[in-house]
Amino acid sequence: DTAVSQTPKYLVTQMGNDKSIKCEQNLGHDTMYWYKQDSKKFLKIMFSYNNKELIINETVPNRFSPKSPDKAHLNLHINSLELGDSAVYFCASSQEGAGGRSQYFGPGTRLTVL
Amino acid sequence: GNSVTQMEGPVTLSEEAFLTINCTYTATGYPSLFWYVQYPGEGLQLLLKATKADDKGSNKGFEATYRKETTSFHLEKGSVQVSDSAVYFCALSDQAGTALIFGKGTTLSVSS
Repeated sequence: DTAVSQTPKYLVTQMGNDKSIKCEQNLGHDTMYWYKQDSKKFLKIMFSYNNKELIINETVPNRFSPKSPDKAHLNLHINSLELGDSAVYFCASSQEGAGGRSQYFGPGTRLTVL
Repeated sequence: GNSVTQMEGPVTLSEEAFLTINCTYTATGYPSLFWYVQYPGEGLQLLLKATKADDKGSNKGFEATYRKETTSFHLEKGSVQVSDSAVYFCALSDQAGTALIFGKGTTLSVSS
């Protein structure tokens, strides 16, 4: 049973297109996240959702928008894709609450913008 | 702001060698500390964690001790295997339990 799943695993698209990445967790966690890993493998938080409310947004362009239909899903929509958006995007989830709650990551979606 | 600094890689070792990957952090308050591992082509897996000073996290032969006096959380393993080849990330989570802040990762390559 996959705890955190993402689709698609690979996404190749042209500049200017709009695309979505889906994420689902079956751990019953209340908080979900999106991270971006660049070509040098540096990981940076993009968004997190807690009980369907956005709680942080780290200077991400507004072309990126997270959407959470329920607490088990957090999808990432990207409009007007740019070359610099090429990266691996990871979804994660954790229990709401104090620090120390472990985050569980999905397998990642490798986005390539041509 | 909060930050994590890891030793630069790559680290290249022979099988059964001793491993240390250094990690230091800057944070206000009392963060929780984590080590994650990323095998080639895969997502991140939690390796171990510690939530307060002097705690020792351990898993699969890896250990790390939360040292508040030196703001460090160094990863160690007594005898590495080829299967340990991966990228290792040190991370912290603040008391609010929001996002993880990661170090830049250290690539470990173990040869037989």
